[in-house]
Amino acid sequence: AQTVTQSQPEMSVQEAETVTLSCTYDTSENNYYLFWYKQPPSRQMILVIRQEAYKQQNATENRFSVNFQKAAKSFSLKISDSQLGDTAMYFCALKYGGATNKLIFGTGTLLAVQP
Amino acid sequence: GAGVSQSPSNKVTEKGKDVELRCDPISGHTALYWYRQSLGQGLEFLIYFQGNSAPDKSGLPSDRFSAERTGGSVSTLTIQRTQQEDSAVYLCASSLSWEPGYTFGSGTRLTVV
Repeated sequence: AQTVTQSQPEMSVQEAETVTLSCTYDTSENNYYLFWYKQPPSRQMILVIRQEAYKQQNATENRFSVNFQKAAKSFSLKISDSQLGDTAMYFCALKYGGATNKLIFGTGTLLAVQP
Repeated sequence: GAGVSQSPSNKVTEKGKDVELRCDPISGHTALYWYRQSLGQGLEFLIYFQGNSAPDKSGLPSDRFSAERTGGSVSTLTIQRTQQEDSAVYLCASSLSWEPGYTFGSGTRLTVV
C-alpha cells in the first residue's frame, strides 16, 4: 500500500526565517513522483514543487527546495525567507505508477508565518 | 477557461436531499479527478476519468455517490440522499494525460444540515 505521513500538524515561523516541513512515504514502486501542494484559505490547491524519484538532484523553485532521501523515503520541504503569504496548509503527495494516476496525500501541515 | 472551475462554491443542503456538484476542467485536459477533503483530513481520492476509458471509481465511498463526464469535458458529481458525514470540501482537478501533477479548482464546500 502507498502511504504518505506528515507528522507535524502545525508549525510556526517568523517572517524572513527558514522552516522545514517533514514528509515520509511508503511505496514499493521504483518510478514515482512526489509533490508539495499549498492550500491557502481560498481552498485552491497550488503546486509548489515536484520531484521525480529517478532524479538524484533535489528540486528547487525560488525560495522552495526539497530534501529528497530516497532510501529513507523522506521528502521534506524547506521554505527560505518566509513571507506572510506563505501562511497556508501544506500537503505532501505521492503519485505512483499505474493506470490511474491518482495522488496519495498526507494529512497536511498548517504553517503560520508570524510578522 | 484558464483554470479549473467548480460550482457552486458553497452548498448547504438538508439531510436526505440529492446534490450535484459541477467541474469544468481546463480545455484540452483529458484527465479529470474528484477528491474529498473532510475537516482536518488530507484529500481522499474519489474518482478518475481519462479520455474515453472506463473511469476508476475505486474511491467512491458508497453507492450514493456517482459521477459522470459528458463529452470528455464537464463532470458532475452526484450525491444522493445526503448524510451529515458527506459534509466536506469536494475538489476537482484536471491534467494532460501524460502529466504527473494536476491543476485543482477551488472546490465546493458542502454542508449537510
